[in-house]
Formats: sequence, C-alpha cells, structure tokens
Amino acid sequence: AQRVTQPEKLLSVFKGAPVELKCNYSYSGSPELFWYVQYSRQRLQLLLRHISRESIKGFTADLNKGETSFHLKKPFAQEEDSAMYYCALYPPGSSNTGKLIFGQGTTLQVKP
Amino acid sequence: GAGVSQSPSNKVTEKGKDVELRCDPISGHTALYWYRQSLGQGLEFLIYFQGNSAPDKSGLPSDRFSAERTGGSVSTLTIQRTQQEDSAVYLCASSQQAQGTEAFFGQGTRLTVV
Repeated sequence: AQRVTQPEKLLSVFKGAPVELKCNYSYSGSPELFWYVQYSRQRLQLLLRHISRESIKGFTADLNKGETSFHLKKPFAQEEDSAMYYCALYPPGSSNTGKLIFGQGTTLQVKP
Repeated sequence: GAGVSQSPSNKVTEKGKDVELRCDPISGHTALYWYRQSLGQGLEFLIYFQGNSAPDKSGLPSDRFSAERTGGSVSTLTIQRTQQEDSAVYLCASSQQAQGTEAFFGQGTRLTVV
C-alpha cells in the first residue's frame, strides 16, 4: 500500500544532542514532501517543505529518492523543540491530486 | 477570518447520537481537508474537498460518516449514530490550491462519545 511511515513514536534526547526524525514513503515518482509540527496546546503548522530547501529553527530535511526517505535533522536539539512532528506529502499522479497524507507522527522529547 | 476556525471546540455526546462538526476555512482557500487525530494513531485522512466537490472520500471510516461543503467555504462533518471508537480530535485544514501548498489547520474539535 502507498504510505508515509515514521517508524519512531517517541524520540527522547538530551539538550544539545543531534536529532534525526525518520520518514520513509512508498510512492514512486516525485511526491511533494513536508514536515509539520504541533507544539503543546498549539495548532499543527508547517515546519518546512522540500521544494523550498530551507532551514527553519535549525531543522533541515533532505530528500533521498534512492531510499525514498525525507528525514528531519537538527545538529543541536533545544528544549523548545519538544513537540509532535509529522511527515506529509502530496502523492504524485493525477489520481491523488490534492490529497495531503501524513505519517503517524513522532513525539520528540528534549530533556534538559 | 484570520485562520481556520472549527466549532465546537469540545463535544461530549451519548453513544448513538448524531453530531455535526463545522469548519470555516481561510477565505479564498479552495482545498479543504478533514483528519482524525487519535492517541497512537497519528493523523488519519478522512476526506478532502476541491471547491464543493470531494474527489477522494476513501478515508471515511464507515457510512456513518459524511461531509459536505457549500459555497466553496464552510464544511460540515457529520457522524451518525456515534460509537465510542469515534472519540478523537477532528482536525480541519485548508490550503490555497489542491497541490503543493501549505495547509493551515484549525484548532480541532475534541469529540468524546460516552
């Protein structure tokens, strides 16, 4: 089945440690990929998108088409990074145009 | 409005009753999405609208669930004969166009079926 997979439900690190939140997808072609974040008691919001190749709050994500992955990375985690992170994509192909699909989410816990 | 608005924020209902959840998207956004967020289940796609039509209803869990959108704006998600497993946070999002753009989320409706 076509899907977005985030294998870790919970990732716990100490402040200052590197962070990598994993995301794999099973679609062929070139989906448009995003990372969304939900801080405690706040709305789900966009963190970054692949097409922009941007770095937001120190986070970056690289698309690896060979491994069909879009892992989110940050070299030095901060306590304020603690949140739920979702990988998302618009699948390629006209039959799925517009359908934004999310992974299961990973809770990042940054300990002091 | 300034953002996506959902009402009510919280809803407690008795098993077997029908409920209606409302979503007011950002003005001018043509695409509208409904998701269900359950503990341990992540964000489950339910349905999305392009204008008033729903190209993909494949995520609706059963025929007790239905949704409509009128005037290319407000959307209503209706759950008939609610069951306890329907308890979750229902999120609505809108985006400017269907493909490739940022989705803006509402604060969600927390539904509890007792």
